Amino acid sequence: EPEVTQTPSHQVTQMGQEVILRCVPISNHLYFYWYRQILGQKVEFLVSFYNNEISEKSEIFDDQFSVERPDGSNFTLKIRSTKLEDSAMYFCASIYYGTDTQYFGPGTRLTVL
Amino acid sequence: SQQGEEDPQALSIQEGENATMNCSYKTSINNLQWYRQNSGRGLVHLILIRSNEREKHSGRLRVTLDTSKKSSSLLITASRAADTASYFCATDEFIQGAQKLVFGQGTRLTINP
Repeated sequence: EPEVTQTPSHQVTQMGQEVILRCVPISNHLYFYWYRQILGQKVEFLVSFYNNEISEKSEIFDDQFSVERPDGSNFTLKIRSTKLEDSAMYFCASIYYGTDTQYFGPGTRLTVL
Repeated sequence: SQQGEEDPQALSIQEGENATMNCSYKTSINNLQWYRQNSGRGLVHLILIRSNEREKHSGRLRVTLDTSKKSSSLLITASRAADTASYFCATDEFIQGAQKLVFGQGTRLTINP
């Protein structure tokens, strides 16, 4: 069964460094999402992406964040200058047009030291 | 904004017993979904119930939805140790055609052998 994949599974970085989290959504899906979950807290929406542009972003998704679909398969989340509070699990999700079920990847655990 | 809130926050039962988790939300929805998350892992979609449905079954899972009370429940029958996980409800919001999910805090379910 097709699934969303994410790499790396765990990323450790120093505060102020740039990180890029990678996702490969399910191949015929058209909407893509990033969510994050700080340890012990709820899953929070960050951004949705459709037709090569951001369709919505939350207040968390400030100028330090960007998303890109550099080719036909990858979907990336870049954090330009990481802060300690960016430490969280980051989930990518995708959905086929006209359906309601979002399929989530296994997540990338980001640790900012 | 919409907010799913699960109740209880933690539930511990014996294997074989039934587990019931509740979710409340604040605004109107198109559908409500339940996800499972094993410790530190990704989100697995369990079941989706639409706003015009009152009950739905999938294997040992039974979900109810009461839109007048803005609440949903997830029942897991004949629980197994492998059901130990956190369970989240998620309501949908549509902005500019793109769905985003709003998650609750989750219920941490522990099944004791």
